Amino acid sequence: GESVGLHLPTLSVQEGDNSIINCAYSNSASDYFIWYKQESGKGPQFIIDIRSNMDKRQGQRVTVLLNKTVKHLSLQIAATQPGDSAVYFCAENIPETGNQFYFGTGTSLTVIP
Amino acid sequence: DAGVIQSPRHEVTEMGQEVTLRCKPISGHNSLFWYRQTMMRGLELLIYFNNNVPIDDSGMPEDRFSAKMPNASFSTLKIQPSEPRDSAVYFCASQDDRNEQFFGPGTRLTVL
Repeated sequence: GESVGLHLPTLSVQEGDNSIINCAYSNSASDYFIWYKQESGKGPQFIIDIRSNMDKRQGQRVTVLLNKTVKHLSLQIAATQPGDSAVYFCAENIPETGNQFYFGTGTSLTVIP
Repeated sequence: DAGVIQSPRHEVTEMGQEVTLRCKPISGHNSLFWYRQTMMRGLELLIYFNNNVPIDDSGMPEDRFSAKMPNASFSTLKIQPSEPRDSAVYFCASQDDRNEQFFGPGTRLTVL
């Protein structure tokens, strides 16, 4: 029978190009956001975070942009490499819920050598 | 630092059996989370502890699921009795005081 499951958005990019992965979050009260990378067979791995008092934060080859007006988060990866192939999740923290994070469904990134 | 440690990494059991998953958080972290990941529902929070006290277990699917944290360095997630629909990857994550979560490698559970 047909299997039904989450349909992950997918993104394919050429090695060396820049990647942009988008995420829409749900709650305007969310004040802290994290991007995670999950490689096949492994647990999610922290990439970069941003707090709601910032619009942009840069790391090594990665940049996170936060647009609170439209509740949108993006992750930019510069000079994408084959090792960047993974599923990327955004997670939001809503202060009233304490330490809980709410995860998006993820985006699957494939880097073409 | 070894990071978050989970055991076993893989578990195959038969329906009706008791399953116990174990987690050792990163030393000094005061929050611990149990998640379940499936193709159908993605990553779901089951329960989390703060300073060894369960804070929110609303994600625990049924009474067959229980979790304990007897001390700051150990937590268990138990399923009794297990069912095929419990098959998933179960992650434990610990969190530092900056709210950064570190995930373990996960336990892949298969219930036949």
